Amino acid sequence: DAGVIQSPRHEVTEMGQEVTLRCKPISGHDYLFWYRQTMMRGLELLIYFNNNVPIDDSGMPEDRFSAKMPNASFSTLKIQPSEPRDSAVYFCASRGEGRTFFGPGTRLTVL
Amino acid sequence: GQQLNQSPQSMFIQEGEDVSMNCTSSSIFNTWLWYKQDPGEGPVLLIALYKAGELTSNGRLTAQFGITRKDSFLNISASIPSDVGIYFCAGQFYNQGGKLIFGQGTELSVKP
Repeated sequence: DAGVIQSPRHEVTEMGQEVTLRCKPISGHDYLFWYRQTMMRGLELLIYFNNNVPIDDSGMPEDRFSAKMPNASFSTLKIQPSEPRDSAVYFCASRGEGRTFFGPGTRLTVL
Repeated sequence: GQQLNQSPQSMFIQEGEDVSMNCTSSSIFNTWLWYKQDPGEGPVLLIALYKAGELTSNGRLTAQFGITRKDSFLNISASIPSDVGIYFCAGQFYNQGGKLIFGQGTELSVKP
C-alpha cells in the first residue's frame, strides 16, 4: 500500500489567495483526519470524517477553512482567503483497524 | 481542554546511551500511543498501549501505560544516530472516532 498520499508537498502563496490541499487515504480506512502542525501550537486536530461524513470540525480555526470528503478515496482542505498565520504543515491521516497513519504533510507558506 | 504534558522538550545524548521520556495528562485515555517524526515527514507510529499498566516493547523501544491511564513513558535503549527525531505521545478516545491529542514532543539528538 502506498500509504496516505498528500499533495502538494509544498505550497507557497500570497495572502488572500485560495489554497486547496488534497489527500488520498489508505484504501479501506473509514476515518480521515486533518491535523495542523506549528511551532507554537504543536499538532492539533482540525476536523475528522467517518465514512465520508464530517463528525467533528471544532478544531477548524475559522470560516475561512473548509474540508470535504466527496468519496472514500479523496478529501480536500481549503483555505479561502489565506493569511500569513495559516503558514504551517498540514497533515492528513487515516485510521483503520485501530491504527492511525499519517501522510507526509503539505508545508504551506502564506506570504 | 485536553492537554498532554510531555518532557523533556529536548535531549542531547551520546550514541549508546539510554533515553527516557514521559507524558502526563489530566484526562483518562483509552489508548496511549508513541509516534516518531523525522524532518519533512509525518509522524510514524512506534508503540500503541491499550491497557492500564501495559508494558510493551518494540525492538529497543519500551513503553508503559500508567495504572491511572493518565501517564506513559517511552524508553529507548542503546541509542543510535537514526533515533534522532521528534517523539510525540498521543492520547486517544475511542468514543471520539480515534482522534488523537498530542503532547508537545521531545526532540532527540544523538551524538555519534
